[in-house]
Amino acid sequence: QVLLVQSGAEVKQPGASVKVSCKASGYTFRNYDIAWVRQAPGHGPEWMAWIRPVNGDRHSAQKFQDRVSMTTDTSTSTASLELRSLRSDDTAVYFCARANFRGPMSYWGQGTLVTVSS
Amino acid sequence: DIQMTQSPSTLSASVGDRVNITCRASQTISSWLAWYQQKPGRAPKLLIYKTSNLDSGVPSRFSGSGSGTEFTLTISTLQPDDFATYYCQQYDRYWTFGQGTKVEIK
Repeated sequence: QVLLVQSGAEVKQPGASVKVSCKASGYTFRNYDIAWVRQAPGHGPEWMAWIRPVNGDRHSAQKFQDRVSMTTDTSTSTASLELRSLRSDDTAVYFCARANFRGPMSYWGQGTLVTVSS
Repeated sequence: DIQMTQSPSTLSASVGDRVNITCRASQTISSWLAWYQQKPGRAPKLLIYKTSNLDSGVPSRFSGSGSGTEFTLTISTLQPDDFATYYCQQYDRYWTFGQGTKVEIK
């Protein structure tokens, strides 16, 4: 079955960077895109960024464009998201999801809690 | 950016009730609309895609309708497992979620 398994919870200080990984299994990784979504406490989900493993095409929501980087490794079926210059309002659960461009998010990782606190 | 607005924000209902949740897009999105269910501490779960198509394994009491800018999620007969928060999402131009509708026990 399709599984997306994310890395564990992180606690970071303001100004630091965090990297969240997402390991896929149960399907051909290069055939589907990966989207990154975050959800702050008590809020709805917010799309952050998208990457296409087969060719590296990517796009980020405007509010994250200066602070986010994404990579994929097709040899290990792993996608990663790095968010820089963390602020307290970046405290959220970060999800990866399988989502082809112009498609819904059909499978989700379990989420990674990132806490930004001094 | 396309904005998605859901109503109501909270809905109090009883088991057996028929429930409707509305989602409006700030511009036309054709039929590129999905609905998700989320329970506390869990990832969202896809229920419906392309406005009215049930994802695999989703009970038939869930249905979706609409087009253009106005869409509706209907739960025909509310079950205990359905108390959760529901989100709409457009995927016509990247992705945007609505702010959510919490279905709570009356």
